[in-house]
Amino acid sequence: GAVVSQHPSRVICKSGTSVKIECRSLDFQATTMFWYRQFPKQSLMLMATSNEGSKATYEQGVEKDKFLINHASLTLSTLTVTSAHPEDSSFYICSASTAGELFFGEGSRLTVL
Amino acid sequence: QQQVKQSPQSLIVQKGGISIINCAYENTAFDYFPWYQQFPGKGPALLIAIRPDVSEKKEGRFTISFNKSAKQFSLHIMDSQPGDSATYFCAASDDKIIFGKGTRLHILP
Repeated sequence: GAVVSQHPSRVICKSGTSVKIECRSLDFQATTMFWYRQFPKQSLMLMATSNEGSKATYEQGVEKDKFLINHASLTLSTLTVTSAHPEDSSFYICSASTAGELFFGEGSRLTVL
Repeated sequence: QQQVKQSPQSLIVQKGGISIINCAYENTAFDYFPWYQQFPGKGPALLIAIRPDVSEKKEGRFTISFNKSAKQFSLHIMDSQPGDSATYFCAASDDKIIFGKGTRLHILP
């Protein structure tokens, strides 16, 4: 299947700092990518839809100023968690679709101290 | 309102047995029904998917059964192996994908 790569896979940061997570489609172009958040032993929660060349669409209850999304090219979307706090600690996963199938990145584990 | 209901929450199966996970949906506009397998600390991996124009799809030991009139679909894992132990998510989508809550499957050696 298609490959979606996320980086970093793990990041630890201090409270109040900002963290950027990258999502790349390695072997296809993606005009749309999706960002999810997953708490332990729970399902994936869609945070936002990232659109190449335009603003992201955020799900209800997700703070767009807190979770900045940029989709500057057809193969790269970034999620920046701004002024991170311990409650932002979570597993963040991106996905992109090609040929009618949805593929996920490996996920990024964020720990905010 | 949960649009995709998945059961059971957890499942224990003997090695060599058949693992069955069920999902039900409400939105008749859904036209794509994938199953994902997720190991701890990893992102979900697409396992198998079906569209509503067929009632069954088989790939190796994995089979999706789809009942459009009942709005239900299920994943069958034949000859279950310890390496199949993972969390499985069903999903349904039209323009946006909705996930079930997941099933933690444990295969006993």
